[in-house]
Amino acid sequence: QVTLRESGPALVKPTQTLTLTCTFSGFSLSTSGMCVSWIRQPPGKALEWLALIDWDDDKYYSTSLKTRLTISKDTSKNQVVLTMTNMDPVDTATYYCARASDSGLFDYWGQGTLVTVSS
Amino acid sequence: SYVLTQPPSVSVAPGKTARITCGGNNIGSKSVHWYQQKPGQAPVLVVYDDSDRPSGIPERFSGSNSGNTATLTISRVEAGDEADYYCQVWDSSSDYVVFGGGTKLTVL
Repeated sequence: QVTLRESGPALVKPTQTLTLTCTFSGFSLSTSGMCVSWIRQPPGKALEWLALIDWDDDKYYSTSLKTRLTISKDTSKNQVVLTMTNMDPVDTATYYCARASDSGLFDYWGQGTLVTVSS
Repeated sequence: SYVLTQPPSVSVAPGKTARITCGGNNIGSKSVHWYQQKPGQAPVLVVYDDSDRPSGIPERFSGSNSGNTATLTISRVEAGDEADYYCQVWDSSSDYVVFGGGTKLTVL
């Protein structure tokens, strides 16, 4: 049974760095073809892809947010961490992590965590 | 960067067929995935690789992809199908995931 769960602060201040952790079970990120990705969704708006890390530790980022994002994995802990620097109120969103295949489809999602950016 | 265009909304009567389009330059050369998202819930994969269904997804959900348009078709629409639907591709030329803007399906 595949599960993913996002954790992190619900509230961050502008200019701060956000750190989110995705803890998963039911698969291993050391298995060839496995990936984990982060996607966000501002309230009432569309899904926006952020970053993806694969089993071989290759990392891919949204072009528009690349300078602010870092994705990493800890295979022994079954965790993937996303950091986003210089947070702004427009970054207020529900942040999801999802298991991805190497063909880029997201077959399992976490329930999401709402992050609000406000002073 | 690659852009996927969806109609903001589609309305359909119960029992009828809904078609949600996803436009992109030569999208027929890519694998398209579709997600259903109900209010307050995470997205759920309903069609992958243009036309395949994950286990547990009703046969009423189908997909096609050709030329510059991919289509998600929902047959015999039910009230429970009311949701937002997103198309998505992996743009291999730039190693980039792209989502469409989403379509709100309303069941009349």
